[in-house]
Amino acid sequence: AQSVTQLGSHVSVSEGALVLLRCNYSSSVPPYLFWYVQYPNQGLQLLLKYTSAATLVKGINGFEAEFKKSETSFHLTKPSAHMSDAAEYFCAVSGAGGTSYGKLTFGQGTILTVHP
Amino acid sequence: DAEITQSPRHKITETGRQVTLACHQTWNHNNMFWYRQDLGHGLRLIHYSYGVQDTNKGEVSDGYSVSRSNTEDLPLTLESAASSQTSVYFCASSDSGAGNTDTQYFGPGTRLTVL
Repeated sequence: AQSVTQLGSHVSVSEGALVLLRCNYSSSVPPYLFWYVQYPNQGLQLLLKYTSAATLVKGINGFEAEFKKSETSFHLTKPSAHMSDAAEYFCAVSGAGGTSYGKLTFGQGTILTVHP
Repeated sequence: DAEITQSPRHKITETGRQVTLACHQTWNHNNMFWYRQDLGHGLRLIHYSYGVQDTNKGEVSDGYSVSRSNTEDLPLTLESAASSQTSVYFCASSDSGAGNTDTQYFGPGTRLTVL
């Protein structure tokens, strides 16, 4: 079975400050990991994904995440927050096959607020 | 451009009624998924399909059904709507070519209220 835990349902930062959204996963097989963003009243959009190549993954809008197997983590960061980053962010894990093929298990989501 | 659409975007219904939510994708993807989004739970998988005539139950499938008669569509039916099914429903699709690394593309969602 696979699962994802996002630490902190709400994160608030000032514009220009570092953004750090935490994600820890549990998986019995090597995982593939994703970060999605959801803007108000919209569907989810892929930010970035880890697929067992480079452990530091760069995504859209200046976001990046680092896969750390020893810590079972895949935290999302951005050096300098922008007002337009305000949204809800979801971490998700996909298993390597079998009954988990192609299916995503999502974390509970983290709402990011950016203050002027 | 390829896209995935859902209809209706908003629906209000009464307890006990049958409701069908439509999902249509023009990506030509084999895999399609239905999720519900509730506060504090993230997205939970309801049903999914790997191709025409294939359907599978997800984590929260009770009270829901799907059918896949073509590649483009995966309608979700609530057989007898319950207040606990008030939620936002998302459809997604992905290509089967790269298995678990495939990106899922999401529709805009349907907000369903059951009174």
